[in-house]
Amino acid sequence: EDQVTQSPEALRLQEGESSSLNCSYTVSGLRGLFWYRQDPGKGPEFLFTLYSAGEEKEKERLKATLTKKESFLHITAPKPEDSATYLCAVQGGSGGYQKVTFGTGTKLQVIP
Amino acid sequence: GAVVSQHPSWVICKSGTSVKIECRSLDFQATTMFWYRQFPKKSLMLMATSNEGSKATYEQGVEKDKFLINHASLTLSTLTVTSAHPEDSSFYICSVRDRAYNEQFFGPGTRLTVL
Repeated sequence: EDQVTQSPEALRLQEGESSSLNCSYTVSGLRGLFWYRQDPGKGPEFLFTLYSAGEEKEKERLKATLTKKESFLHITAPKPEDSATYLCAVQGGSGGYQKVTFGTGTKLQVIP
Repeated sequence: GAVVSQHPSWVICKSGTSVKIECRSLDFQATTMFWYRQFPKKSLMLMATSNEGSKATYEQGVEKDKFLINHASLTLSTLTVTSAHPEDSSFYICSVRDRAYNEQFFGPGTRLTVL
C-alpha cells in the first residue's frame, strides 16, 4: 500500500526565514509526486508535479525537489501570504488504475 | 489548469434528509472525476472515481447506497448523500484529472453539516 508521511505537522516561521517541508513516500511504481497548497475551507491548489529522482521545479518562492524516497518543498524568504497547509501526494501503480495517495499536510504559518 | 466549481459551498441539513452536491468542470471535458472527503487535520480520502456514462468506482469501505454518484456529462458529476447523519458531516471535494499532464485540479469544496 502506498504511503505518504509529511513533516513537520506544523511550522512557524518569521517572514524572510527560509525553511523546507519534507514528504517521505513509499509507492509501487511512482507515476508522479504532487505538491498542493490548501487554504482553510478551500480545495487544494495545484503547485508542482515531479516525475523522477533529481527533478526540480520552481515557482516564485517555492522550489520542489525529488529523490527516490522523499521530496522537499523549499520556501525561500517566505511572506505571510505563504501561510497555508501544504499537501504532498503520490500516484503509483501500473495499468489503468493509478490511485493518488495524500499525506496529512504541513501547516505553515509565516509571521510578519 | 482546469477550473472546477462546486455547488453549494456549504449546506446544513437535518438528519435523515438527502443532500446533492454538484461538481462542474468549467473549461475541461472530464471523462473522470474524483470525490474526496476531508476531516480536520486529516488527509484527503478518496471516496470514489466517477466515470462519465458508467457506474462510479467506490473505494473500499465507502457505502455505494449512501453516497450516490452520477456523472451525467463530461462537465458534471453529482454526489448525493442519502439519509444523512451527523457522522456524514465533513468537507467534500471533487477533482478532475488532466490526462495529458497527469495532474489533478480540485474544486473549492462543500462543507456539509448534518444536525
